[in-house]
Amino acid sequence: DSGVTQTPKHLITATGQRVTLRCSPRSGDLSVYWYQQSLDQGLQFLIQYYNGEERAKGNILERFSAQQFPDLHSELNLSSLELGDSALYFCASSVVAGAQETQYFGPGTRLLVL
Amino acid sequence: AQTVTQSQPEMSVQEAETVTLSCTYDTSENNYYLFWYKQPPSRQMILVIRQEAYKQQNATENRFSVNFQKAAKSFSLKISDSQLGDTAMYFCAFLPGSNYKLTFGKGTLLTVNP
Repeated sequence: DSGVTQTPKHLITATGQRVTLRCSPRSGDLSVYWYQQSLDQGLQFLIQYYNGEERAKGNILERFSAQQFPDLHSELNLSSLELGDSALYFCASSVVAGAQETQYFGPGTRLLVL
Repeated sequence: AQTVTQSQPEMSVQEAETVTLSCTYDTSENNYYLFWYKQPPSRQMILVIRQEAYKQQNATENRFSVNFQKAAKSFSLKISDSQLGDTAMYFCAFLPGSNYKLTFGKGTLLTVNP
C-alpha cells in the first residue's frame, strides 16, 4: 500500500457525460500527478499540481481539468466523455515537486465509457 | 523529447532463476532519474528501484538490481531468485531533472513459471 488513495475504484458511464476522479496523496506529500493508462497510448503523464498550483502539463485534453485543494487532495474532471477516454487513471504523489522525488502511485480508477 | 524503449514485450523465467529486463532511453539531459515500476494483475503501480544518473554505483533492492550504463543510455533490471509473485508487467521510466514529467516505456510482461 503506497498510502495514496483514489476513489472510485471503478466507474462506468456513457458518452457525453462528465465524471470526477478523486485522489488523496500520502501524508506529507505536497505534489500530485495524474496519469492515464490505455491500451493504445500506454502510460501518459497528464498534469501535476504542487501545493495547490499547477506545475506541469502533459498530454491532457482540453475536455479534462484538474485541481488541488487546500487539504492537498486533488480531483481530475473529465467531461464530454468519449469511448476513447476509457482507461485506468492513476494519481501519484511525492513530497515536493523536484525531479529527484520518487512518485508513489495510487491503485487507480478504472473508467469505462459506453 | 525523451523516449524510453523496452524491446522485450514478453519474457518468462523459471522460479528461482535470474532474468534481466532491458530498457534504453534517449535524452539530451545530463541530470535525470530512472525507475523501474512493477504492475501486477491488481494493476497497482509499485516502485521497484530507482537510479540517479549522477551516481555511478548501480542501485540494488534485495533481489532486484540494475545495470546502469550512462554512456550507452541503458538501464536494465536484473531479478535474482525469481518468485511467482514477481509475475507482472514491468515498466521502465525516465524523469528528467528539468521537469516533472515521468515518461514510461511500453512495458515488459514477465511471467514466472513454477
